[in-house]
Amino acid sequence: NAGVTQTPKFRILKIGQSMTLQCTQDMNHNYMYWYRQDPGMGLKLIYYSVGAGITDKGEVPNGYNVSRSTTEDFPLRLELAAPSQTSVYFCASSYSREGGNEQFFGPGTRLTVL
Amino acid sequence: GQNIDQPTEMTATEGAIVQINCTYQTSGFNGLFWYQQHAGEAPTFLSYNVLDGLEEKGRFSSFLSRSKGYSYLLLKELQMKDSASYLCAVLDSNYQLIWGAGTKLIIKP
Repeated sequence: NAGVTQTPKFRILKIGQSMTLQCTQDMNHNYMYWYRQDPGMGLKLIYYSVGAGITDKGEVPNGYNVSRSTTEDFPLRLELAAPSQTSVYFCASSYSREGGNEQFFGPGTRLTVL
Repeated sequence: GQNIDQPTEMTATEGAIVQINCTYQTSGFNGLFWYQQHAGEAPTFLSYNVLDGLEEKGRFSSFLSRSKGYSYLLLKELQMKDSASYLCAVLDSNYQLIWGAGTKLIIKP
């Protein structure tokens, strides 16, 4: 099993450009998440999904959009990139949100907006 | 608001024991997780506590006191590969993980 995979690993965007961060998991998990991690701060939840066709906002959704057309894929779309979106983005998945079900993380995408 | 506090950085010696503390104030509690994150890599799961007490897993143990809003991660027989950040996260009443900023652990020979 590949687990959770993300592409690209690195990206530099100009202000106002758009891009999609790809995330795929092969563990048949219903729950998927997008986080951003900034230096000196905890992971912040951007969006999450409890299954195909269902998405919901997390703590910091502004400037982002998601879709979940299949169980495996959960892409994150950045429209009109801003310097404040410079961060490391992690996609994660889990079997359930309850109990001790751990979240499995992808390797991350390091995004710089100039 | 919701808040999780951990020390920013700690230093320990190879072969020694270190305790990383975490205090939390969250809206509800459905368990506490510890994750390890090496520099430039993704977080990986270490432990989960939902009941008071100590959970031991090899060289790593995690303790929880729900009444005090307190947890610690205990690392024994430290190895150089344990140099990493350790993230404390609480599952709140909405089953969302609230993350601390992490404790960077530096191991010296």
